[in-house]
Amino acid sequence: ETGVTQTPRHLVMGMTNKKSLKCEQHLGHNAMYWYKQSAKKPLELMFVYSLEERVENNSVPSRFSPECPNSSHLFLHLHTLQPEDSALYLCASSLEGTPQETQYFGPGTRLLVL
Amino acid sequence: SQQGEEDPQALSIQEGENATMNCSYKTSINNLQWYRQNSGRGLVHLILIRSNEREKHSGRLRVTLDTSKKSSSLLITASRAADTASYFCATVPDTGRRALTFGSGTRLQVQP
Repeated sequence: ETGVTQTPRHLVMGMTNKKSLKCEQHLGHNAMYWYKQSAKKPLELMFVYSLEERVENNSVPSRFSPECPNSSHLFLHLHTLQPEDSALYLCASSLEGTPQETQYFGPGTRLLVL
Repeated sequence: SQQGEEDPQALSIQEGENATMNCSYKTSINNLQWYRQNSGRGLVHLILIRSNEREKHSGRLRVTLDTSKKSSSLLITASRAADTASYFCATVPDTGRRALTFGSGTRLQVQP
């Protein structure tokens, strides 16, 4: 238990569906991240929020839309996804400004797009 | 090659043996971290080594860092079946935004 939770843990959706992934951290951190992990590829950083402001968006398609309403919650809204978007989506949080910048990860949401 | 690239990609050993994984990176770093991931789960932080450190220990883990060669190694001693997982190195740059960049990972299988 890392203090970061994600729901749902598994999600199957069609290409025309709209769904949202949720992440919550109970660690008092001030930065949150979305990563995509596909088979045999390095973790891809998608979005970074620092103090609820999006500070990084690594050329992610607009069919992925993040939302960070407060420092404890992070959402990833999904719409009109493609089969190649099937992957494990990981949320992480950290305490910015600390020397270590260690990130704490949630268990992930396994997404399958049909 | 990418920042934080692990070698080998896969490693299979017997319980009780030592496992060594290597990581190479390209840019100057503030620190390097190792993470572990059980199949289909989130990553768990194992150990961090700063750029001014050469070696660090934590239980059965030993990490070395050679900044001149831009490489690091993770040694797991007396391995157990429960150590079976993927291991990733991640680097934090010494300038700019201090975000982690992960490698592709080493898949470790420890046979009981």
